[in-house]
Amino acid sequence: DAGITQSPRYKITETGRQVTLMCHQTWSHSYMFWYRQDLGHGLRLIYYSAAADITDKGEVPDGYVVSRSKTENFPLTLESATRSQTSVYFCASSELERQGTYGYTFGSGTRLTVV
Amino acid sequence: GENVEQHPSTLSVQEGDSAVIKCTYSDSASNYFPWYKQELGKRPQLIIDIRSNVGEKKDQRIAVTLNKTAKHFSLHITETQPEDSAVYFCAASIEPDSWGKFQFGAGTQVVVTP
Repeated sequence: DAGITQSPRYKITETGRQVTLMCHQTWSHSYMFWYRQDLGHGLRLIYYSAAADITDKGEVPDGYVVSRSKTENFPLTLESATRSQTSVYFCASSELERQGTYGYTFGSGTRLTVV
Repeated sequence: GENVEQHPSTLSVQEGDSAVIKCTYSDSASNYFPWYKQELGKRPQLIIDIRSNVGEKKDQRIAVTLNKTAKHFSLHITETQPEDSAVYFCAASIEPDSWGKFQFGAGTQVVVTP
């Protein structure tokens, strides 16, 4: 699904540095989400956005910041990276449609390592 | 908030046998239950979903059942094949109020041996 892309695919950063993960979708979906995936925890929601300029916290928002100035972009920023933020990060987008398909699609993920 | 528990964490089956993964949820308001398959190094992909107004749904070798009273739902894979080997995640959400804000289970690693 080339309609949602994440960058970079891999990132190594040092503790305390700021790092931004990018997510871009071409479907003009209203909803976008950030999840982190850790062994034993499945996927946990960090932040979500229902539309441009509307964002809200998910289950594990501490240490993360998001913005959504444009519908197609939803960057996730780690303000001061910690080793506990080493994870695989998935972005997703969706549209609330009628009964039927919801078009909820994940990006390819970003593997972030904090050293 | 919602809590989803998934069992087992690993499942090894012989090719051709059936596999069953069970999930329980805590919030009785949850009404949408998707299942995702994630192959190694890939993104999760939706394989089947069910809404609370339906008790069972099938798609070829895959089926999902829902018991609202007991608050659990299960994924059934029949005639398993090596390409079914992957991690499977269940999830729950409340639509439309909390659309897309999935609470995921911890995942089940399924290994299909020839």
